[in-house]
Amino acid sequence: AQTVTQSQPEMSVQEAETVTLSCTYDTSESDYYLFWYKQPPSRQMILVIRQEAYKQQNATENRFSVNFQKAAKSFSLKISDSQLGDAAMYFCAFGIISNFGNEKLTFGTGTRLTIIP
Amino acid sequence: NAGVTQTPKFRILKIGQSMTLQCAQDMNHNYMYWYRQDPGMGLKLIYYSVGAGITDKGEVPNGYNVSRSTTEDFPLRLELAAPSQTSVYFCASSYSMVLGAANTEAFFGQGTRLTVV
Repeated sequence: AQTVTQSQPEMSVQEAETVTLSCTYDTSESDYYLFWYKQPPSRQMILVIRQEAYKQQNATENRFSVNFQKAAKSFSLKISDSQLGDAAMYFCAFGIISNFGNEKLTFGTGTRLTIIP
Repeated sequence: NAGVTQTPKFRILKIGQSMTLQCAQDMNHNYMYWYRQDPGMGLKLIYYSVGAGITDKGEVPNGYNVSRSTTEDFPLRLELAAPSQTSVYFCASSYSMVLGAANTEAFFGQGTRLTVV
């Protein structure tokens, strides 16, 4: 079974500064996907960034980037130039790759990010 | 293109009552999921489906049932509601989790807040 651990229940950052959210996972799989999802007060889950485990290059999406360390099973999210709209709950998620069913996402417990104006 | 639509948004049930949470997606996704999110916790998978007519249990299936008669719809049935089922329920869908597939992200509905009293 897979587990995802987010050890920071809450984080805060000054507007325009950079913040890093931590995520570690445990799996015996070699091929998988990792995701960061954002959940604003509206409750909808929004994909922030995705990383394929077979890719060595870290994914980036505008102000969001990841530091993927496969051997260490670590997948942190860096948010640069933090904006007030970034305030939300952030979930790290792990997805198994399979051609025959059993595809599912395993989520961490989340990190609540507060942006200080 | 509405994405993933969940109804209702809010519901209060009495202990022992039953209800069906509706979920529909218009993206022709094969994979659909039901999660519950308890306060301060991550999402827990209740049931998932890899296609019409195929469903399987997730981590916390007890007290729930699902069906998938069409690609678009994936209703979640609660029989004999209990206070432990008070939670926010999320439906999600994805096109694929196959290695190398571009569309590996999951799209989420806005959630249903259910209270059992």
